[in-house]
Amino acid sequence: EPEVTQTPSHQVTQMGQEVILRCVPISNHLYFYWYRQILGQKVEFLVSFYNNEISEKSEIFDDQFSVERPDGSNFTLKIRSTKLEDSAMYFCASTTGQFLSTDTQYFGPGTRLTVL
Amino acid sequence: DAKTTQPPSMDCAEGRAANLPCNHSTISGNEYVYWYRQIHSQGPQYIIHGLKNNETNEMASLIITEDRKSSTLILPHATLRDTAVYYCIVRVYGAAGNKLTFGGGTRVLVKP
Repeated sequence: EPEVTQTPSHQVTQMGQEVILRCVPISNHLYFYWYRQILGQKVEFLVSFYNNEISEKSEIFDDQFSVERPDGSNFTLKIRSTKLEDSAMYFCASTTGQFLSTDTQYFGPGTRLTVL
Repeated sequence: DAKTTQPPSMDCAEGRAANLPCNHSTISGNEYVYWYRQIHSQGPQYIIHGLKNNETNEMASLIITEDRKSSTLILPHATLRDTAVYYCIVRVYGAAGNKLTFGGGTRVLVKP
């Protein structure tokens, strides 16, 4: 069964450093998402991406964050200058994006980001 | 998207049915009810969704009341591996790309 994959599973970085989290969505999917979950808190939407541009972003997704689909398979989340409060699990998700479908989102296993 | 209300936690005996309630009294006619679960810190896992009819798949059954203001997710024979946080989410149908808005969910503990 096709699945969303994410690398690395755990990333440790120093405050102020740049990190890139990588995701490989399901191959025929067209919509891609990033969510995050701070330890003990709810899963929060960050951004959705379609047709090589951001379709929606939350207030969390400020100028420190960017997303990119650098090739036909990868979808990345970049945090330019990490802060302690960026420590969280980051989940990638994808959907077919077909209009008038139920558009189920499938999630990857997550990347645990620890900022020291 | 309409807001949902779920009990924060519940226990269930292994092998018994687990019935997870969800209230969504402000649901609109064009909103589906989705259920996801999250085992420990893994990525949310899709379970089932429905609009107004009851639905069943290999994982669970979804019962939606006639007025659509509440629903129940049924895990027919709970196993220890069903221990997870279960999220009930309503989401507009037909709008491709809509985000999922997660609440606190119900923390289900399946006991031997």
